[in-house]
Amino acid sequence: AQKVTQAQTEISVVEKEDVTLDCVYETRDTTYYLFWYKQPPSGELVFLIRRNSFDEQNEISGRYSWNFQKSTSSFNFTITASQVVDSSVYFCALSEAGSGYALNFGKGTSLLVTP
Amino acid sequence: ETGVTQSPTHLIKTRGQQVTLRCSSQSGHNTVSWYQQALGQGPQFIFQYYREEENGRGNFPPRFSGLQFPNYSSELNVNALELDDSALYLCASSLFRQGNTEAFFGQGTRLTVV
Repeated sequence: AQKVTQAQTEISVVEKEDVTLDCVYETRDTTYYLFWYKQPPSGELVFLIRRNSFDEQNEISGRYSWNFQKSTSSFNFTITASQVVDSSVYFCALSEAGSGYALNFGKGTSLLVTP
Repeated sequence: ETGVTQSPTHLIKTRGQQVTLRCSSQSGHNTVSWYQQALGQGPQFIFQYYREEENGRGNFPPRFSGLQFPNYSSELNVNALELDDSALYLCASSLFRQGNTEAFFGQGTRLTVV
């Protein structure tokens, strides 16, 4: 069963629009971590954020913000005022204590930002 | 740049052959994990090594094996290659404390099996 669901396969927005990438996860562990990674065409996964299950504070980093809600098992990622350089594939991942903290990735969302 | 390097970057092998992929971890990291990413999919966990021992394994057959060396570099070996093994193979290094820290990935090795 898919533990991390990224329902949006592809999103296309015009530059300067705000865009939210959804991530829903499933776990029975009380201790777990959630991540977002970006994968440009070069293939390397670029770390964006790590959140532990005990910290539901939302986080903002420049134009990026993350909304973690345990009640809905969601960890959504918003890009404000999107730019062409934000075009990439974005992955949400879950890391559970019961699985040795291996990363369990969603299928990714391909974001295209056009001028 | 993460400091995690993988070699080679691209590789073409014939079905039935064996392949070894290499990864050099980021300095100070003691854990290395390998992932397989098929085209259009998210990475799938193969296995993880911590202090030179396998510390977790995903749903991959025994023909996928690995090693971690004292300097924390690592190898992924795949025997009896199949066409479905064609994928991007990603190595990630991290520091295993109470739960892993964020994993830093290399640029991957793109394996094509023909």
